[in-house]
Amino acid sequence: EVQLVESGGGLVQPGGSLRLSCAASGFTFSSYGINWVRQAPGKGLEWVSVISGSDGATDYADSVKGRFTISRDNSKNTLYLQMNSLRAEDTAVYYCAKEAGGAASVFDIWGQGTMVTVSS
Amino acid sequence: QLVLTQSPSASASLGASVKLTCTLSSGHSTYAIAWHQQQPEKGPRYLMTLNDDGRHSKGDGIPDRFSVSSSGAERYLTISSLQSEDEADYYCQTWGSGPHVVFGGGTKLTVL
Repeated sequence: EVQLVESGGGLVQPGGSLRLSCAASGFTFSSYGINWVRQAPGKGLEWVSVISGSDGATDYADSVKGRFTISRDNSKNTLYLQMNSLRAEDTAVYYCAKEAGGAASVFDIWGQGTMVTVSS
Repeated sequence: QLVLTQSPSASASLGASVKLTCTLSSGHSTYAIAWHQQQPEKGPRYLMTLNDDGRHSKGDGIPDRFSVSSSGAERYLTISSLQSEDEADYYCQTWGSGPHVVFGGGTKLTVL
């Protein structure tokens, strides 16, 4: 079964750091781009970051650029999101999402999400 | 700027059909679109893609009650024979550069 499982969420103070993980199974992890998408309470989906499967190229939303770092360990089939200088507006459920492959960034598999709360 | 616009809400009766709309911003009317469903308290689920050549592809296990179409800059998701489990938020998604991926604001579908 193709599956993504996020972990690492929790409560953190403003200005703090947190590292999220996304464990993949059921597919050749290294062959696919993987994204982070977040959803603030009661709000819609917001794309956060992507890392390609082929060359590890990365991209970020302007709202997190310079504060968040996406990475992957293909030997462990795991994706990471290092979040620094966290702000209240980063409070959200964070999902990892697998791209279907090819040129299109279609998300064909989603995880169940992990909640990040930034509050003092 | 690449923007997707969705109506915030829609409703239809059990067993009926509903057509949800996603509108691409000016200058982006040929872009492909993917649709995702998010049931209450769950993560999103991929439904299907409408490519710029008119072809479409479905996610695994998505029933034939779900279909996609387009007209100009508008992309549609039609759900026929509505069931109670179709009550959910529906998001359209596209991709490009700056930013890499864009979501519509979502449509909350109520099944009456």
